[in-house]
Amino acid sequence: RKEVEQDPGPFNVPEGATVAFNCTYSNSASQSFFWYRQDCRKEPKLLMSVYSSGNEDGRFTAQLNRASQYISLLIRDSKLSDSATYLCVVNFANSGYALNFGKGTSLLVTP
Amino acid sequence: GAGVSQSPSNKVTEKGKDVELRCDPISGHTALYWYRQSLGQGLEFLIYFQGNSAPDKSGLPSDRFSAERTGGSVSTLTIQRTQQEDSAVYLCASSLPQPPTGGLPTDTQYFGPGTRLTVL
Repeated sequence: RKEVEQDPGPFNVPEGATVAFNCTYSNSASQSFFWYRQDCRKEPKLLMSVYSSGNEDGRFTAQLNRASQYISLLIRDSKLSDSATYLCVVNFANSGYALNFGKGTSLLVTP
Repeated sequence: GAGVSQSPSNKVTEKGKDVELRCDPISGHTALYWYRQSLGQGLEFLIYFQGNSAPDKSGLPSDRFSAERTGGSVSTLTIQRTQQEDSAVYLCASSLPQPPTGGLPTDTQYFGPGTRLTVL
């Protein structure tokens, strides 16, 4: 079983739409959670950390449910520039500082 | 300031040859990581360096892979006797050291642009 699982998509949405991505992780001892964004043929960049109480950064909202081992990312009022692959990332407590990446969810925002 | 840099950006080699990939972390970052990303796959952890501590090599896929970090800064990932399945983008990341505590996130890892390795 993959340790971090995401729906690969692609998600095709019109500008202005709200879109949600989900992610599940297998290691209940996980400590840290992130969403990274990766543009085509570019390196991953941190979008936002995910806090236990949930957190918001502008149009982006991240939620964490430790009991269900589930993380979500909500993007409101989608922009064309949001088109990218969104990577769910988890730091497992028993793997030191290495990050465990999902395969990513592809988003295409169309005019 | 300057980000993580990697060289070369692209490397094409023949099966069986050795390759060296270089990473220059952000100045002041004592933690350095190597990952690889194969086509259609998620990033896979390879190795982690933190200061003068022994590296965490738990992600290296075989003994053909090795890495070193000289002077606590620049790191070199070496792949010996390359195979076609080694073809991937090799990404380096660096961060300030911060042990994970409770529900707080670890310090952000900043990635370099990667080296795209193609083994023919």
